[in-house]
This record gives sequence, C-alpha cells and structure tokens, in this order.
Amino acid sequence: KAGVTQTPRYLIKTRGQQVTLSCSPISGHRSVSWYQQTPGQGLQFLFEYFSETQRNKGNFPGRFSGRQFSNSRSEMNVSTLELGDSALYLCASSLDGTAGEKLFFGSGTQLSVL
Amino acid sequence: AQTVTQSQPEMSVQEAETVTLSCTYDTSESNYYLFWYKQPPSRQMILVIRQEAYKQQNATENRFSVNFQKAAKSFSLKISDSQLGDTAMYFCAFMITGTASKLTFGTGTRLQVTL
Repeated sequence: KAGVTQTPRYLIKTRGQQVTLSCSPISGHRSVSWYQQTPGQGLQFLFEYFSETQRNKGNFPGRFSGRQFSNSRSEMNVSTLELGDSALYLCASSLDGTAGEKLFFGSGTQLSVL
Repeated sequence: AQTVTQSQPEMSVQEAETVTLSCTYDTSESNYYLFWYKQPPSRQMILVIRQEAYKQQNATENRFSVNFQKAAKSFSLKISDSQLGDTAMYFCAFMITGTASKLTFGTGTRLQVTL
C-alpha cells in the first residue's frame, strides 16, 4: 500500500511569487491535513480537508489556502511569498480524521523563499 | 489555548540502555489524546505511541511505553533497549476530541543513540 506522497520534494521561489504543493493521501483515506515546520515556530497546523470541505483551520493568514479534490488529493497554495514562508510543509492523511485516529505523514516539501 | 512543552532539547543514550523523554501539556479540556511522534532524517513523521486521556492504563508499544499522569498533565516516553535506529527527533503532541486532525506539537527532543 503506497504511503502519503508529496510533490515536489524541494522548491525554490522568490519573494512575491506564489506556490502550489501537492499531496496524495493513502488510498481510501478521505482526510488530509497540512502542517508547517520551521526551526523558529516548530510544527503548526495549517488546515484539514475532508470530502472536499475544509473542516478545520489554524492561525495562518489568508495567503495560505488549500483545496481537496474528489479523489481526496489535496493541494495547498501560498500566494505573495514572504521570506518567513520558508519551511518544510508536511501533509498527513487518515481515514476520516476522527480524533485520536492515526495520522500518516508524507516526507514533506521543503520550500525555500529567496 | 493548548500548549505542549518538551524541556529537553537534546538527549543521548547508549545502545541497549533505557531513556525517558519528558513532556508536559496545558489544557482546560477533559477529552483529548496524546501522542509521541518520531521524525528521522528522512523527515517523515512516524507515530510511536498514542494515549487516550480517559484511559488510566499507560499505553505500550513493544520497546516504547508512556507514563501518563493526567492530574500533573505529564506524558513521558520511555524507550527501552535503545537501538541505533531510534536516533531521531521526538515530538510530543496533543489533540482535542472533535478537532479533526489538529495536532498541537511540542518543540521536540533530539535523541542520539550511541554505540
């Protein structure tokens, strides 16, 4: 059974640009959540999608957005990139996002903003 | 707001020895889950162990066990018979019941297992 796949693994952008990251969950999983990991702020929850609907959102500005497709694949978008957006972006999937359910993480996309 | 505190930024243990990683948390909620995740150099977060707050019995998974003290809001991880493959960052995390997939993480403890 394939794990959670995130593409691309590495990305370099410049300030002001926008970026789209992709996440393919484990087959059969309908919940996809996103996390940002930085040395300064640690791991922070961005948002969670289930059946194409955003169910939960963290404290990030509106430049951070996401969506989920009918096949449960998810994308997140960051517009007007800032230097502080440089981070490892992790995606996790689970069957339906029930509290306490095991989350399966991908290996992340490392975004560098120059 | 919920907070998770890991007071040990780095720890080292010899192979085959036992090590305990500390974690405390703060919440006013009564229904929640606690987790320990491991992040090796591959960057992929891997669930080590999970504890339901309503269960008094401490969770165990092979060489990994927890000491859950609900009143003290403490959730430590004990690794027995440490192996070189246990070298990684370990994160303590917290999830309130009803908040789908929203984990609050601690700052992590870097564990080095040596020969």
